[in-house]
Amino acid sequence: DAGITQSPRHKVTETGTPVTLRCHQTENHRYMYWYRQDPGHGLRLIHYSYGVKDTDKGEVSDGYSVSRSKTEDFLLTLESATSSQTSVYFCAISRYDEQFFGPGTRLTVL
Amino acid sequence: GQQVMQIPQYQHVQEGEDFTTYCNSSTTLSNIQWYKQRPGGHPVFLIQLVKSGEVKKQKRLTFQFGEAKKNSSLHITATQTTDVGTYFCAGQGGANTGTASKLTFGTGTRLQVTL
Repeated sequence: DAGITQSPRHKVTETGTPVTLRCHQTENHRYMYWYRQDPGHGLRLIHYSYGVKDTDKGEVSDGYSVSRSKTEDFLLTLESATSSQTSVYFCAISRYDEQFFGPGTRLTVL
Repeated sequence: GQQVMQIPQYQHVQEGEDFTTYCNSSTTLSNIQWYKQRPGGHPVFLIQLVKSGEVKKQKRLTFQFGEAKKNSSLHITATQTTDVGTYFCAGQGGANTGTASKLTFGTGTRLQVTL
């Protein structure tokens, strides 16, 4: 599984609160990605990173920010969570062209 | 932007029947990848196709990449209950498209297999 962990694995929060999800990898991969998965939409890219402090937006970046201060950690922040951000969030790394996914974080915003 | 459509959304087959899912991109792709996600799990890489018209096989699974590099298919022969899950295609754009480092996933086909 390319040494990818995500924390927390489950979180329930209230509308308007900030939330940070963490992705940690142990293999020093340059590219890291955050996706959200919703029924009927497949996996949609939120943000990705191509190195320390180098990030770019994906197709559904509104309401999300990211940071990567170390190669091994990629953080996803919801500044003010909304119910529409209830989803399963997957982190992934890229090894050559293949992507390897973490176990996911199930986030519920009430 | 690049869009990848996948059909059908859901298919229910009896064990032993064949299954096919189709993927179509709005733009020409540099490569296409296929992933499988078991219920409650995370997507797992199956294969990558790079060449126009390429066909690859993995046991009962056959993957094809179209001549125009805009469509792909996954065919499973004689399905088994272990094939249950959602199958996603994911397209990667060319080097000059701004999407070379990103995958665009299809919406997935959920396969249910019953005895």
